[in-house]
Amino acid sequence: EAGVTQSPTHLIKTRGQQATLRCSPISGHTSVYWYQQALGLGLQFLLWYDEGEERNRGNFPPRFSGRQFPNYSSELNVNALELEDSALYLCASSNVGGGYTFGSGTRLTVV
Amino acid sequence: SQQGEEDPQALSIQEGENATMNCSYKTSINNLQWYRQNSGRGLVHLILIRSNEREKHSGRLRVTLDTSKKSSSLLITASRAADTASYFCATDGDGSSNTGKLIFGQGTTLQVKP
Repeated sequence: EAGVTQSPTHLIKTRGQQATLRCSPISGHTSVYWYQQALGLGLQFLLWYDEGEERNRGNFPPRFSGRQFPNYSSELNVNALELEDSALYLCASSNVGGGYTFGSGTRLTVV
Repeated sequence: SQQGEEDPQALSIQEGENATMNCSYKTSINNLQWYRQNSGRGLVHLILIRSNEREKHSGRLRVTLDTSKKSSSLLITASRAADTASYFCATDGDGSSNTGKLIFGQGTTLQVKP
């Protein structure tokens, strides 16, 4: 069974640009979660999608947004990139009440 | 803000020794999970313990949960060099509703010396 896949592995963007990160959940998982792991800030919850709907979002500005497609894959978009957006972005999927399976992450560097 | 606080922040042991990491949290929970992260890459789910469970085992891992003290511990027995990683506890943060949000501790960095 394929795990959670994320692309790209690394992404370098210039301040002010937009970044798009992609995630494919484990087959059969309907929920997708996004987390940010920035240096010194730990793992912070970003977004939760389930059945195509945004169910919850963390304490991030509106320029962090995303969507979930009918096949349950998901995109995270970060607009107007700032230097402090540099971080490892992790996607996870789960079934209700179970442990989360994380992808290997996308390392976003904003220069 | 991080709900979980882990102790110690860093731990260095010899191969074959046991490693114990502790986690404290603040609110009621449905479950508590432990994850491992190697070299800043993805998290690997180790074990989930529900709020009505007190102890759980998985291979060389033993997790305990004390909801009265809002704390959990992860014991790795007979450690190996390959266990070198950062370990995080995570709670669902709210025992009454499903928010889909995990609240992670700051993690314990474990180094196992061969």
